[in-house]
Amino acid sequence: GGIITQTPKFLIGQEGQKLTLKCQQNFNHDTMYWYRQDSGKGLRLIYYSITENDLQKGDLSEGYDASREKKSSFSLTVTSAQKNEMAVFLCASSLRDWGQDTQYFGPGTRLLVL
Amino acid sequence: GDSVTQMQGQVTLSEDDFLFINCTYSTTWYPTLFWYVQYPGEGPQLLLKVTTANNKGISRGFEATYDKRTTSFHLQKASVQESDSAVYYCVLGATSSGQKLVFGQGTILKVYL
Repeated sequence: GGIITQTPKFLIGQEGQKLTLKCQQNFNHDTMYWYRQDSGKGLRLIYYSITENDLQKGDLSEGYDASREKKSSFSLTVTSAQKNEMAVFLCASSLRDWGQDTQYFGPGTRLLVL
Repeated sequence: GDSVTQMQGQVTLSEDDFLFINCTYSTTWYPTLFWYVQYPGEGPQLLLKVTTANNKGISRGFEATYDKRTTSFHLQKASVQESDSAVYYCVLGATSSGQKLVFGQGTILKVYL
């Protein structure tokens, strides 16, 4: 088995601040994903990466940057935090990049912007 | 475009009750369908998966059948336990969108003793 680790678990930021979330996986999976989870709205894809140094935009990429410098890690940056924003950011990985593969999720980073 | 609809925002049951969570989907492709479950404080995890090769998935007492005619993928369990309390997501994959999964809004299941 493997595990996905997300840091930090909780993130409190100020309006306009740039905030970075990190994700590590030891499954040796090719593809990694970042999702945003808002109450009552399911999960929405922000960015994904099918291999090291690859980046693909999801449906919610505006306001975010991502980085995949190593196969095992995938970072997400909130470029300018919005006041009163509250969401959970979930990182996931899958063996390859097709919609048939199971995605394995981390426990999430909870963001609150004051 | 591809979409998933879960009409039930929350379902409240007593232990040993029958569970039925409604899910319908829309796609022009031949999808793979998933149910993911999310327990408090954790990320979602796969509960079961069904492809076009097999119409029914069964896992941990839960089952879901892929009905192409009605484009439905309802989740059922004969007898729920308090430990089944969680959020359940119906998810559409392997569509014309390729890599992306399309998540339903989620159904909160609360089971009381």
